[in-house]
Amino acid sequence: LAKTTQPISMDSYEGQEVNITCSHNNIATNDYITWYQQFPSQGPRFIIQGYKTKVTNEVASLFIPADRKSSTLSLPRVSLSDTAVYYCLVGPVYNQGGKLIFGQGTELSVKP
Amino acid sequence: GAVVSQHPSRVICKSGTSVKIECRSLDFQATTMFWYRQFPKQSLMLMATSNEGSKATYEQGVEKDKFLINHASLTLSTLTVTSAHPEDSSFYICSARDLAGTGNTEAFFGQGTRLTVV
Repeated sequence: LAKTTQPISMDSYEGQEVNITCSHNNIATNDYITWYQQFPSQGPRFIIQGYKTKVTNEVASLFIPADRKSSTLSLPRVSLSDTAVYYCLVGPVYNQGGKLIFGQGTELSVKP
Repeated sequence: GAVVSQHPSRVICKSGTSVKIECRSLDFQATTMFWYRQFPKQSLMLMATSNEGSKATYEQGVEKDKFLINHASLTLSTLTVTSAHPEDSSFYICSARDLAGTGNTEAFFGQGTRLTVV
């Protein structure tokens, strides 16, 4: 399973765009990149998933370069409620038994 | 959408007793579920993979006789912490994927169970 590296923490202000980059140098051909958000004392919540190029949904965008050795989660115009820990995970997804191994995550703090 | 539910959300038990945590997939079947443990300010650590109708697979360093996992149906997995000690106090989270739905492949997580052993 590919190991991921993210910044331990980031600070931002309300209304700003936040970009969190994740390195995954050993990503395999059948691996997807998935980002989760976790609030204190809650289970992680899915944000976005992609394989290559760019993926966008109603809450975030995910940018993946051609070599797929890194990815960037982009949160537009963050608010105080976006303060959470964000995890980047890499692995096969079309397999109900595929393990999800969490790295250290990035603790995002959004200030007023 | 797919939902994974855990029960209880919070439990306090005395040292030496056992505690059972339930994880249910509410609107999909899960042949595989995962159990995680999370200590304060740390990431989720995978403890074991729960397989319906067969033995669970434990990660290295996790005591299978202490953390008993039963996956007797396609919608229910249970984790029993036996002879609990204060160091077992932690946040336990389960997850599962719904691959039979709309094609979404994200894993769904339960709300977690806060175990405190006194």
